[in-house]
Amino acid sequence: DGGITQSPKYLFRKEGQNVTLSCEQNLNHDAMYWYRQDPGQGLRLIYYSQIVNDFQKGDIAEGYSVSREKKESFPLTVTSAQKNPTAFYLCASKPSGPNEQFFGPGTRLTVL
Amino acid sequence: DAKTTQPNSMESNEEEPVHLPCNHSTISGTDYIHWYRQLPSQGPEYVIHGLTSNVNNRMASLAIAEDRKSSTLILHRATLRDAAVYYCIGTSGGSNYKLTFGKGTLLTVNP
Repeated sequence: DGGITQSPKYLFRKEGQNVTLSCEQNLNHDAMYWYRQDPGQGLRLIYYSQIVNDFQKGDIAEGYSVSREKKESFPLTVTSAQKNPTAFYLCASKPSGPNEQFFGPGTRLTVL
Repeated sequence: DAKTTQPNSMESNEEEPVHLPCNHSTISGTDYIHWYRQLPSQGPEYVIHGLTSNVNNRMASLAIAEDRKSSTLILHRATLRDAAVYYCIGTSGGSNYKLTFGKGTLLTVNP
């Protein structure tokens, strides 16, 4: 089945540790996105990538890093510089044009 | 990005139509209007999108005002599974098509 997978579903880390969230898609989509969602709030864009080996900062990129070495993969690293990393992280992908974004199931990160 | 304004919450009864409003007075001529919905602890799900004309699909209808400053998402017969947060989003112009999510409208469907 085609879709987007995010792993793990729940992730716990100690404060000060970097952590990498996985996002894989087999939809052959060019664009991929990372969002963060806090309780009761809408999604906020962290980073996005329109093509392989290229990505742009979103609205809240500080403390995060990404890579896009393969079309199907767009991992997000939450670094120790992110002041409040506990949140629900969502990955999405989209084909070219004004089409819908397809979202993964999300990873809930808790930093202890 | 086009700024959108939605009511914080709305309530409906099962099997009745629901009209979810959205204002987007700063929308540009090339901005699309997208609607997504999100169930708790899940990723958002695409509902519908449009540019100028009214649009219909199996999930809903989208009515866009002639001046494009507002739109309405119409669920023709609400079910309990339609209870979710609904986001109205104006995409940025150009080729980026970034989506900027606000807080959306929490739709409650009563049995």
